[in-house]
Amino acid sequence: AQSVTQLDSQVPVFEEAPVELRCNYSSSVSVYLFWYVQYPNQGLQLLLKYLSGSTLVKGINGFEAEFNKSQTSFHLRKPSVHISDTAEYFCAVKWNSGNTPLVFGKGTRLSVIA
Amino acid sequence: DVKVTQSSRYLVKRTGEKVFLECVQDMDHENMFWYRQDPGLGLRLIYFSYDVKMKEKGDIPEGYSVSREKKERFSLILESASTNQTSMYLCASSLPLASGLGHNEQFFGPGTRLTVL
Repeated sequence: AQSVTQLDSQVPVFEEAPVELRCNYSSSVSVYLFWYVQYPNQGLQLLLKYLSGSTLVKGINGFEAEFNKSQTSFHLRKPSVHISDTAEYFCAVKWNSGNTPLVFGKGTRLSVIA
Repeated sequence: DVKVTQSSRYLVKRTGEKVFLECVQDMDHENMFWYRQDPGLGLRLIYFSYDVKMKEKGDIPEGYSVSREKKERFSLILESASTNQTSMYLCASSLPLASGLGHNEQFFGPGTRLTVL
């Protein structure tokens, strides 16, 4: 079965430090890749997505991610985090096999410390 | 902007009650989804629907059913609520396959936190 792995369940980081949240998926066939963010007591909102083209994708709030086909990874990065980035982050993958739902990772809780 | 709304933000029910969770989207999306979210388990797909009166089981359909009588509305039903169904429930919608690459992104509602006592 296809799966998405977020290697870190929790990531604490000091304010203004860089952060990387890791995401790997199970198959290297054609995929579309997403990162969503969930702030406390809210639904998920899209941070960025990779559908095709450049492997470096820029999203909202200064986040970016890089698609690495050989490593089957799509890690999320930000060079300098703010307190307001404290949230849960979900990686999601759609395998290009028709009208199928996204498959989500289990999430990474990012805590930014002042 | 796409808007997905859920009927309640918080809900408290008793064991054995029949529970309806409603989801409405205003962007004419064909696809709609129900997930439950639990700490450490991420989002797990319960049911989804690609058209009116159509439904497909997701990864954890046991104890749940769904109804899609109108395109904009997708209801999740707990026939007899149990304490292990205490969770956050998230609804999402997306465009159909025929729309091209845009069908991949799912738009989420704010969630319903259900507590079953």
